[in-house]
Amino acid sequence: GQQLNQSPQSMFIQEGEDVSMNCTSSSIFNTWLWYKQEPGEGPVLLIALYKAGELTSNGRLTAQFGITRKDSFLNISASIPSDVGIYFCAGRSPAGNNRKLIWGLGTSLAVNP
Amino acid sequence: DTEVTQTPKHLVMGMTNKKSLKCEQHMGHRAMYWYKQKAKKPPELMFVYSYEKLSINESVPSRFSPECPNSSLLNLHLHALQPEDSALYLCASSQASSGYNEQFFGPGTRLTVL
Repeated sequence: GQQLNQSPQSMFIQEGEDVSMNCTSSSIFNTWLWYKQEPGEGPVLLIALYKAGELTSNGRLTAQFGITRKDSFLNISASIPSDVGIYFCAGRSPAGNNRKLIWGLGTSLAVNP
Repeated sequence: DTEVTQTPKHLVMGMTNKKSLKCEQHMGHRAMYWYKQKAKKPPELMFVYSYEKLSINESVPSRFSPECPNSSLLNLHLHALQPEDSALYLCASSQASSGYNEQFFGPGTRLTVL
């Protein structure tokens, strides 16, 4: 099935550094969701975006819905060890079933204290 | 209450066993989902219930049988599974309104099929 292009695949950074990851699609989306998943747990919703150009923050996290509606990015500022996990983007296409999310393959983040 | 709960946390079963996974939410959501997730991969949609009726079955083998007894509960009945069915099974819920796609996940059931 359709998947989003999520990059980078993995990141290894020092504590305190800023992090940026993004997702792109070949077609337009009307919803972008960003999740974080820690080992042995379910994905936790971080940020939801519904409008092109929308910029939303959640603490040290900031995400934007690209104006072309084909991409989104997630930034984490001043990373800390508990930011470790896999970050997934997910989106909904207006052409698809409104219950189905299309997922990126994830960005695995490791933080060196 | 913004939590989705799942039981059991871990399950080990043989290929001839019958078992059930349970999911519960009290957020008033009328859409509930089952996903299967392999290690380091995104979740794969299996089933969607909307207003307690099955609305999506992603061509899942019949050895997986979903059930939605009421608006808060979702079950997944397992029978004659294969070792390749070993995975993390995730339940999620969302509002049923078409404009709201935020899905909230439970912690998952780690299933091992021997």
